[in-house]
Amino acid sequence: EAQVTQNPRYLITVTGKKLTVTCSQNMNHEYMSWYRQDPGLGLRQIYYSMNVEVTDKGDVPEGYKVSRKEKRNFPLILESPSPNQTSLYFCASSPAGTDYGYTFGSGTRLTVV
Amino acid sequence: QKEVEQDPGPLSVPEGAIVSLNCTYSNSAFQYFMWYRQYSRKGPELLMYTYSSGNKEDGRFTAQVDKSSKYISLFIRDSQPSDSATYLCASFSSGSARQLTFGSGTQLTVLP
Repeated sequence: EAQVTQNPRYLITVTGKKLTVTCSQNMNHEYMSWYRQDPGLGLRQIYYSMNVEVTDKGDVPEGYKVSRKEKRNFPLILESPSPNQTSLYFCASSPAGTDYGYTFGSGTRLTVV
Repeated sequence: QKEVEQDPGPLSVPEGAIVSLNCTYSNSAFQYFMWYRQYSRKGPELLMYTYSSGNKEDGRFTAQVDKSSKYISLFIRDSQPSDSATYLCASFSSGSARQLTFGSGTQLTVLP
C-alpha cells in the first residue's frame, strides 16, 4: 500500500530532551515536507526537501532540523524541545512536477512538558 | 494577514444539502489550488486539485477558482454524513518548490 509512515503517533517528552520523529514513504516521491498543525493557525510548513541532500526552510523552521540522506526517509529532529513545540506534526510527500498534491502521513501528536 | 484565509466555521447542514466552502488568498503568484479533507485524528487527504482559474468536477465535488477576485470555492452536492470533516484549502506558486500555503480549515458537520 502506498503510504507515508510516521513514528511515533504519540509522544510526551520533557523540555530539552532531544527527540526524532521518523518519516518514510514507499512511493519513490522526490518532494517531502514537514508541517505542524495548531488550532486556529492551520498547517504551517517547517522544512521541505526537493530530493536527497536538498532541504530548505519553510515558514516556521526555528527549533527544528531535518536531513534527507535517503529518498524514502525524512526525519524531523528537535534538538532541545520546548513547550511551544507542542503540536500535531505531519510528514508529507509528493512526486516531482506540478500535477500532484501531497500525500500526508497520519500525524504525530507531540507534547513537551 | 495570512496569505490564505478561510472561515473556520463550524458549519452544520442537513443531509442532502449543497455545501459551499470558501477561501480567499492574497498572493497573486499562486497558480495551483487544492482542497484537502481531514477526518478527526487523521492526516489530510487530497480531494481536488486545480490549476489557474476555472472549474473542476469530480463526482459530488466541484472546485472553482476565480483568480480575478482571488477566491477559491468547493461545492459538495447531496452531502452525506460521511462528508463530516475539516476541509482545508491550499495554494502554491509555480516557482515555490511546492511550498503549500494552507487555510486554517472549515469544520463541516452533515447531520443525518
